[in-house]
Amino acid sequence: DAGVTQSPTHLIKTRGQQVTLRCSPKSGHDTVSWYQQALGQGPQFIFQYYEEEERQRGNFPDRFSGHQFPNYSSELNVNALLLGDSALYLCASSVPQGRRNTGELFFGEGSRLTVL
Amino acid sequence: AQKVTQAQTEISVVEKEDVTLDCVYETRDTTYYLFWYKQPPSGELVFLIRRNSFDEQNEISGRYSWNFQKSTSSFNFTITASQVVDSAVYFCALTDIYNQGGKLIFGQGTELSVKP
Repeated sequence: DAGVTQSPTHLIKTRGQQVTLRCSPKSGHDTVSWYQQALGQGPQFIFQYYEEEERQRGNFPDRFSGHQFPNYSSELNVNALLLGDSALYLCASSVPQGRRNTGELFFGEGSRLTVL
Repeated sequence: AQKVTQAQTEISVVEKEDVTLDCVYETRDTTYYLFWYKQPPSGELVFLIRRNSFDEQNEISGRYSWNFQKSTSSFNFTITASQVVDSAVYFCALTDIYNQGGKLIFGQGTELSVKP
């Protein structure tokens, strides 16, 4: 049973560039959330996707956008990269509320983005 | 607003010592959920426990135990007879009933180092 998989694992970009990160949820899960974790900090919620729509959003600018595909996989896009966007980006999957949802999120190992 | 505070940034113990990780939370919700996650060096967060606000019964799972005290808004985590494999960053998190499986509010984490 494959867990949450993310790609790429590491990448380096320069300021002003754009980046796309990818996530495949755990088998049987259809809800994907993205988190940003700066060095030495706890993860911060970016947004959640369910049924190919953004359902919730944290306090992140519009430069952060996402997409969910019919197979439940998801992408996180960040435009006009800033130095402060350097972080570990974590994807988490879960079953949606009301479907025996224990509230448990299953996380991938993350994509570490460095912006120079 | 919801907030989670983990005042202990780093803890270092010698193997077989008991260690307690503190977590204090703030919320205006009457129904909420608390979590503990473990983040090993590989990066993914591993779910340890979920507790809802109506259940103040303490829980024990092997060497792990959790003490939930609503009166002090605390949800502390104790590892008994610590082992080197327990070395990781531990996060306490909070969510409301409407955001299960999505938006978690994480503390800043406590890095536990268990030395042989």
